[in-house]
Amino acid sequence: EDQVTQSPEALRLQEGESSSLNCSYTVSGLRGLFWYRQDPGKGPEFLFTLYSAGEEKEKERLKATLTKKESFLHITAPKPEDSATYLCAVQLKSQGGKLIFGQGTELSVKP
Amino acid sequence: GAVVSQHPSWVICKSGTSVKIECRSLDFQATTMFWYRQFPKQSLMLMATSNEGSKATYEQGVEKDKFLINHASLTLSTLTVTSAHPEDSSFYICSAREGANQPQHFGDGTRLSIL
Repeated sequence: EDQVTQSPEALRLQEGESSSLNCSYTVSGLRGLFWYRQDPGKGPEFLFTLYSAGEEKEKERLKATLTKKESFLHITAPKPEDSATYLCAVQLKSQGGKLIFGQGTELSVKP
Repeated sequence: GAVVSQHPSWVICKSGTSVKIECRSLDFQATTMFWYRQFPKQSLMLMATSNEGSKATYEQGVEKDKFLINHASLTLSTLTVTSAHPEDSSFYICSAREGANQPQHFGDGTRLSIL
């Protein structure tokens, strides 16, 4: 069964305290892995796409990496405005390339 | 770029009413659009996938006669919740994708409350 698991469910950081979010997956065929940010009451905002093991993408304080079994979203020196829920999604090679989402990690950054 | 507009953002209506939600890709042509449902503190659950000019493909357990999807053009898809009841109350989100290897871009969702 295709499955995506994110950890931790919630993470509280002090401003400037770097950390990582994990996304582990078990799927029959991976086309790509996506990271999104979702603010309360809003739709997810696209951050990154990763396609192959060893690939890395960066955007401001965020860096996403991919291995054959998991992906990490590293947050360096976070600011309060980075507070949001971060969603990981796996795109399958089959079934029309639909996305399977993890449960998300709710990040809170305190000043 | 890659903006998806969803309307309305909030709707409250009486039980038995049908409600239509629109999803538009504003600056790209969406070959495929998706409809999701999200419960509080939970992730997105895919309801259906629609390709322009074709019938939508519904996920297991989603009633196609209850949730009517139309994807009449490359920039517009609609979801109609027919004869809505309180258990249909939820946050509905659409997304659009330009091509198979492109990311999905999401609208800001519609909060549906059925009284």
